[in-house]
Amino acid sequence: RKEVEQDPGPFNVPEGATVAFNCTYSNSASQSFFWYRQDCRKEPKLLMSVYSSGNEDGRFTAQLNRASQYISLLIRDSKLSDSATYLCVVDGLNTGTASKLTFGTGTRLQVTL
Amino acid sequence: DTEVTQTPKHLVMGMTNKKSLKCEQHMGHRAMYWYKQKAKKPPELMFVYSYEKLSINESVPSRFSPECPNSSLLNLHLHALQPEDSALYLCASSQDQGGGTNEKLFFGSGTQLSVL
Repeated sequence: RKEVEQDPGPFNVPEGATVAFNCTYSNSASQSFFWYRQDCRKEPKLLMSVYSSGNEDGRFTAQLNRASQYISLLIRDSKLSDSATYLCVVDGLNTGTASKLTFGTGTRLQVTL
Repeated sequence: DTEVTQTPKHLVMGMTNKKSLKCEQHMGHRAMYWYKQKAKKPPELMFVYSYEKLSINESVPSRFSPECPNSSLLNLHLHALQPEDSALYLCASSQDQGGGTNEKLFFGSGTQLSVL
């Protein structure tokens, strides 16, 4: 089993749609979870951290299910500008001094008119 | 608008060349990273520096040589690369508060490297 697995996509959705991405992780000891967004030929940018209680930032909602070891990202009212690759990121080996984060392969989202 | 600056943005080099990638951050972060990303793949960790000391080397070939001159700067020296080393090289930093907490990464815009 891969350390971090995501729906491969691509997800093609019309503007205004609601879309959800899931991500599963294999390390039950993982403590830190993030969603990053990456545009074509650009660097990944932090979209949001994922907290145990779930968290929301505008149209974006992230949830964590520790028992089933998955996290999710929900995007409501999709915009054309949401088109990007969404990377699920989970901490792996805890070095105690610096982050060692594992990236999922990403899910490509294409929002259309 | 990234606060992690990488130069150059693009680099083309031959297999016998020596070149260096540079990264700079002024956020007071104490951990800095090099990642390699091939097209349609996720970033792969290469090196981690914590408090200017190399803390992780992900079995990277010796033709890649990292250097951390101070807490704000990170270099990646390249020598005798192969065409398969062509990729986007990303620098990142994190606060590194220690205590075993993994922290969010801030990425530079990357150097697109082509090895001919």
